[in-house]
Amino acid sequence: KAGVTQTPRYLIKTRGQQVTLSCSPISGHRSVSWYQQTPGQGLQFLFEYFSETQRNKGNFPGRFSGRQFSNSRSEMNVSTLELGDSALYLCASSPLRGTEAFFGQGTRLTVV
Amino acid sequence: AQSVTQLDSHVSVSEGTPVLLRCNYSSSYSPSLFWYVQHPNKGLQLLLKYTSAATLVKGINGFEAEFKKSETSFHLTKPSAHMSDAAEYFCVVSASGGSNYKLTFGKGTLLTVNP
Repeated sequence: KAGVTQTPRYLIKTRGQQVTLSCSPISGHRSVSWYQQTPGQGLQFLFEYFSETQRNKGNFPGRFSGRQFSNSRSEMNVSTLELGDSALYLCASSPLRGTEAFFGQGTRLTVV
Repeated sequence: AQSVTQLDSHVSVSEGTPVLLRCNYSSSYSPSLFWYVQHPNKGLQLLLKYTSAATLVKGINGFEAEFKKSETSFHLTKPSAHMSDAAEYFCVVSASGGSNYKLTFGKGTLLTVNP
């Protein structure tokens, strides 16, 4: 089985721009979660999608949004980028809610 | 509510000696607990999981962890460290049974293995 695939792997954006990150979960997994990882804050939960519905959201501003498609693929969008949004964004998929999560390699976003 | 505390931010061992990475948790529900490993510039890999079956859990690469409810601990051990074990390790709790499923991560423990 193919693992979780995140694209692109690296991005450089300018302050004020917006960005869309993509995640393809493991086949058959319906739960997709997103995390932000920074040296200062560690790993922080962004949101979780299950069956195309956002089920849970972390403590992030409304500039961070996401969606899930009928094939369980997910995207997250960050609008009006700030320097502090520079981070590794990790996507994880799970077969069911509350079970172990399998992570992709991440997208390294740099905002300049 | 749930939280995880990894008691050491950095652990340094010599190759061939035992590894102990400590983790305490709190959870309002019966927890599922996990250990993940992250090598530099990589995603997270699941080492092992506890989901209310056996309290001693064996994982990949010779790692194991013991769930101790009375101590709210889930420490990760390995009898003999290998150079390839050098990485960052995360203890994670999931509130199974709660409606708001999410993984809560500890701050991580950086494991250094000296030759």
